Amino acid sequence: QSALTQPPSASGSPGQSVTISCTGTSSDVGGYNYVSWYQQHPGKAPKLMIYGVTKRPSGVPDRFSGSKSGNTASLTVSGLQAEDEADYYCSSYAGNNNLVVFGGGTKLTVL
Amino acid sequence: EVQLLESGGGLVQPGGSLRLSCAASGFTFSSYDMSWVRQAPGKGLEWVSALTASGGSTYYADSVKGRFTISRDNSKNTLYLQLNSLRAEDTAVYFCAKETPGSGWAFDFWGQGSLVTVSS
Repeated sequence: QSALTQPPSASGSPGQSVTISCTGTSSDVGGYNYVSWYQQHPGKAPKLMIYGVTKRPSGVPDRFSGSKSGNTASLTVSGLQAEDEADYYCSSYAGNNNLVVFGGGTKLTVL
Repeated sequence: EVQLLESGGGLVQPGGSLRLSCAASGFTFSSYDMSWVRQAPGKGLEWVSALTASGGSTYYADSVKGRFTISRDNSKNTLYLQLNSLRAEDTAVYFCAKETPGSGWAFDFWGQGSLVTVSS
């Protein structure tokens, strides 16, 4: 059982928007503005898409955006493209005792 | 170009040991905190261990505490993970990852991973 809860799957048609949620507790997601999102294609290493809840690393399209409300963070992918089909994982800083916690992952399908 | 290259994985019997290495290049290795993250076959990501830039502070997931040891040699630009008392549930691809400074342990670069299989 993962520390953060994500829906196992999400889907959308090309051009549409999809939002993936990530629910934690006040000890992780709700307690810090240190939520990250990763994209992972099959057989590949994860790629950082969002950090610090809303920040995008250089090179990540602005179609990807992050937000947080209380203990739930969200990743929104706008203008869905075929190459966005992948697994997405959220993570959060969780204090010095258990440093980083991940969500169980969401498989995004572009219909 | 930042590169992280893991090595040292393989098949090991339950109770055995293994040492993973992660050779870093393309950045000033000694300035960055580093971590190991693993992924069991067909499963999600699990953070395993972290080490600050100087090596002064280490952190471990409860699942590996007391069995795994993280270390680094900044003169060799290499991160290590010593895995002892291995169990079947430690079977996974182990990734080394570089932290984005000030991000609260977000990882901006990852290696390709090294597979550890624990089986008799």
